[in-house]
Amino acid sequence: KAGVTQTPRYLIKTRGQQVTLSCSPISGHRSVSWYQQTPGQGLQFLFEYFSETQRNKGNFPGRFSGRQFSNSRSEMNVSTLELGDSALYLCASSPAPATGIRARPQETQYFGPGTRLLVL
Amino acid sequence: TQLLEQSPQFLSIQEGENLTVYCNSSSVFSSLQWYRQEPGEGPVLLVTVVTGGEVKKLKRLTFQFGDARKDSSLHITAAQPGDTGLYLCAGRGAGSYQLTFGKGTKLSVIP
Repeated sequence: KAGVTQTPRYLIKTRGQQVTLSCSPISGHRSVSWYQQTPGQGLQFLFEYFSETQRNKGNFPGRFSGRQFSNSRSEMNVSTLELGDSALYLCASSPAPATGIRARPQETQYFGPGTRLLVL
Repeated sequence: TQLLEQSPQFLSIQEGENLTVYCNSSSVFSSLQWYRQEPGEGPVLLVTVVTGGEVKKLKRLTFQFGDARKDSSLHITAAQPGDTGLYLCAGRGAGSYQLTFGKGTKLSVIP
């Protein structure tokens, strides 16, 4: 089974631009979660999508948005980029919901290799 | 907001030595996971512990969940260069079951 794939792997943008990142989950997985990883803050939860619906959202500004398609592929968009948005953006997939009351405590998420975004 | 504090932040040891990494919080978690992340890759799940006091072993790695489900430790016996990486703990809070990650322990095992 192919793992989680993310495109592009590397991206350089300038302040004020917008960016769209893509994530293809493991076949059969319906949940996709997005995380931001920085040296200072570590891994922080952005949002989760399950069956094309956003289930939960982390504490990020509205410039960060996402969506999920009927084939479970997900995209994340960041508008009006700031220098502080430079980070490794990771997506993770799981067969069942990863957050919320329907999520099992032991639910396993499988992470992709990430997209490294540099904002200049 | 649930926080997970990992210590130490950095660890550099010689091959064959033992080490312990700690993950502490003031919050109770329904489960706790440990991941290892290598440069250029996403985190890979090592183990999930669910029950307070639970101990799990994975070859030379021993994971323990605190009795109160607020803390966890990872012990590596006879470390090898292949153990080098960033070790992350992540807890699932009750209700939201959202994963909260610690900032990680960067381990270097020198041959």
